Amino acid sequence: KAGVTQTPRYLIKTRGQQVTLSCSPISGHRSVSWYQQTPGQGLQFLFEYFSETQRNKGNFPGRFSGRQFSNSRSEMNVSTLELGDSALYLCASSTLAGALETQYFGPGTRLLVL
Amino acid sequence: SQQGEEDPQALSIQEGENATMNCSYKTSINNLQWYRQNSGRGLVHLILIRSNEREKHSGRLRVTLDTSKKSSSLLITASRAADTASYFCATVTGANSKLTFGKGITLSVRP
Repeated sequence: KAGVTQTPRYLIKTRGQQVTLSCSPISGHRSVSWYQQTPGQGLQFLFEYFSETQRNKGNFPGRFSGRQFSNSRSEMNVSTLELGDSALYLCASSTLAGALETQYFGPGTRLLVL
Repeated sequence: SQQGEEDPQALSIQEGENATMNCSYKTSINNLQWYRQNSGRGLVHLILIRSNEREKHSGRLRVTLDTSKKSSSLLITASRAADTASYFCATVTGANSKLTFGKGITLSVRP
């Protein structure tokens, strides 16, 4: 099976712009989670989707949003970009949503905000 | 906010030696997981240990969990240069699948 894919892999934006990142889970996986990784804050949970419904949300401002489509693909959107949004954004998928599910991570999208 | 705190922050060993990494956490957990990350790339799941388990093995990996001390350790035996990476512990609380990560340990294995 192909792994989790994320597009684009690298992105450069300027402050005030918005960005959309895409995540295609492993075939058959219905749960997708997003994480932000920065040198200062480490890995932080953004949100989790299962069957097109947001199940859980981290402590991020409303500028960060996401959605999941019927084919389980997910997108996250960041509006009004700030310098501090520069990070590696990681997507993970699992078969189902649940505490004991193994999550498989994609390679990430590296976003640089200038 | 970080749930797990790994110790040490950085570890440098010779190939063939064992590497031990520790993780402490603050609240009750459903399970604890260890991940590896190579050079700022995606995370690779290594092992999951449930709160009612004390020890688990997977190949050269051995994980222990002490819920009374809220701590876990990851032992990599007979390390290889390819084990050079950052290692993260992550906890799961409750029934959801949200991972709360520690800051990570940088392991360097010298050939």
